[in-house]
Amino acid sequence: DIQMTQSPSSVSAFVGDRVTITCRASQDISNWLIWYQQKPGKAPKLLMYSTSILQTGVPSRFSGSGSGTDFTLTISSLQPEDFATYSCQQAKSFPLTFGGGTKVEIK
Amino acid sequence: QLQLQESGPGLVKPSETLSLTCTVSGGSITTSSYYWGWIRQPPGKRLEWIGNIYYSGNTNYDLSLKSRITMSVDTSKKQFSLKLRSVTAADTAVYYCAKYDTDLGCFDPWGQGILVTVSS
Repeated sequence: DIQMTQSPSSVSAFVGDRVTITCRASQDISNWLIWYQQKPGKAPKLLMYSTSILQTGVPSRFSGSGSGTDFTLTISSLQPEDFATYSCQQAKSFPLTFGGGTKVEIK
Repeated sequence: QLQLQESGPGLVKPSETLSLTCTVSGGSITTSSYYWGWIRQPPGKRLEWIGNIYYSGNTNYDLSLKSRITMSVDTSKKQFSLKLRSVTAADTAVYYCAKYDTDLGCFDPWGQGILVTVSS
């Protein structure tokens, strides 16, 4: 199975800050990397797929990069509605696996 | 717009079978390139993929759960279902159903989720 490791597990930031979250795969997944946003008590929401393609309606302050085993999600200017937990998922092979999540909190 | 809704009991006794149904509305369950998936999230833990099913009945299961899982689909009712046998407390989780795009490898949209607690 491909293991997905996210860091940090949590980050505190101010509105307007730039935030970067890292996701590392235990083996090469090319660009088969998905990001989700999840707010407390809610289902995950698709943010982007294929590493860097934003789902329709997702603000352009979100961006993704990487390839192979190392990936990043960047929020260029954190907004109040962005405080949530972000999880990565590899789509290279079954079983599909998720990272442990990164909680973005208000500082 | 496509919506999914999970239904089923919120409490299951240990050793019994967890049964959940996902109802799809606002779109077709027989669209090609789309599977229908189950994902769970134990309290405070990461998301765990359980398996996917195609409208034809073809399935992909997580191997660690495969011996206890059965997924099925009823296209006439636009529903797909999950049965998980011999449950233990470790199966306590929020269970989500979602549409799985085989071309992109992602789940979207998701149902709201249903908390299933395994307890006597």
